[in-house]
Amino acid sequence: DQQVKQNSPSLSVQEGRISILNCDYTNSMFDYFLWYKKYPAEGPTFLISISSIKDKNEDGRFTVFLNKSAKHLSLHIVPSQPGDSAVYFCAASSGGGADGLTFGKGTHLIIQP
Amino acid sequence: SAVISQKPSRDICQRGTSLTIQCQVDSQVTMMFWYRQQPGQSLTLIATANQGSEATYESGFVIDKFPISRPNLTFSTLTVSNMSPEDSSIYLCSVEMGGETQYFGPGTRLLVL
Repeated sequence: DQQVKQNSPSLSVQEGRISILNCDYTNSMFDYFLWYKKYPAEGPTFLISISSIKDKNEDGRFTVFLNKSAKHLSLHIVPSQPGDSAVYFCAASSGGGADGLTFGKGTHLIIQP
Repeated sequence: SAVISQKPSRDICQRGTSLTIQCQVDSQVTMMFWYRQQPGQSLTLIATANQGSEATYESGFVIDKFPISRPNLTFSTLTVSNMSPEDSSIYLCSVEMGGETQYFGPGTRLLVL
């Protein structure tokens, strides 16, 4: 059973608009959430994270929102740029960093010019 | 973050053989992890490798199939033993730099014929 779910395999957004990527989780023990970006033939690149004690974290064009009661988080990218086209993975952890990460299957974001 | 390299970057192997993948980090880290990404799938944690202790394997992964070494704080190896076509995957190492964020190497693309 998948503990971290990204239900949209792909998402197409026009350049300059907002991209919203969604992620749901089932394990109540998760207390730290991360988003990674992955280009083909490269390893995942860390983008932004959020602790379960917060509901929002912002870093430049990237904002992550966490709704603990709904076990849902989202990544907002504003404005979207062509270089944002990549696969985005949602990941979660528990255990204060001693455990590995549980990943979703990823969402392929395509930014249309 | 850290600069992480992996060798080889890719390989094509015959079934029944073994391949050792190296992961080198440019700074000393306590926690290193090994993941696998099968085609079209998410990243799955294989094991956690901490220097000075035996690797801890996730459910479904065993030491005889995936032996791991962690001789010092900047280096680790993962061996994929007695390979079959089902082992064709991208193998990634990651490090935890403090906090709960992990940083990934570029991955090793393995094809088993």
